[in-house]
Amino acid sequence: AQKITQTQPGMFVQEKEAVTLDCTYDTSDPSYGLFWYKQPSSGEMIFLIYQGSYDQQNATEGRYSLNFQKARKSANLVISASQLGDSAMYFCASSGSARQLTFGSGTQLTVLP
Amino acid sequence: NAGVMQNPRHLVRRRGQEARLRCSPMKGHSHVYWYRQLPEEGLKFMVYLQKENIIDESGMPKERFSAEFPKEGPSILRIQQVVRGDSAAYFCASSLRTSGSYEQYFGPGTRLTVT
Repeated sequence: AQKITQTQPGMFVQEKEAVTLDCTYDTSDPSYGLFWYKQPSSGEMIFLIYQGSYDQQNATEGRYSLNFQKARKSANLVISASQLGDSAMYFCASSGSARQLTFGSGTQLTVLP
Repeated sequence: NAGVMQNPRHLVRRRGQEARLRCSPMKGHSHVYWYRQLPEEGLKFMVYLQKENIIDESGMPKERFSAEFPKEGPSILRIQQVVRGDSAAYFCASSLRTSGSYEQYFGPGTRLTVT
């Protein structure tokens, strides 16, 4: 079984600054994946970034990077140079031997002008 | 290069009616997942299908809900005799591979409202 915990229901960040969204996970699978998705107010789920449990380096995709600390079981999302369009709900998710994703409760990010 | 398609985008049903939600995966993807998102909550897994096979339905309610992914055509999530508690956003996702890195790409969702 997988469990994802996102402890920040809401976060605020000033435009152009960096922000870190927290995610901790719990799994008994030896091999697993960690994902971040963005859900804007329009409702669609947008894939942002993926980290495999055996990947040696932290994943990066443009302004998104995943701070993967395996010993701490954390997979925080870092967004650099925040933009107004980054305002959205952000979900951390995991997968393991069962292929489906397990989602956290989400963090509502608001970027302030 | 179309993404995951879902229709309808919005569906209104009266209590007791049937709801039928369709999902066409990305081209070349043969793995389909259905998730439900209740208001103010994260997504919850319902069912995982490959062509003509249900792989994992551990998240499906035992009654009234069914899913299929036929050899030809879209995947269908069917909810019979809908109740108000079925009002939610239903997302379909597809993926390409079965092992290693396998991102799931989501459709736009179907918002079901039961009146």
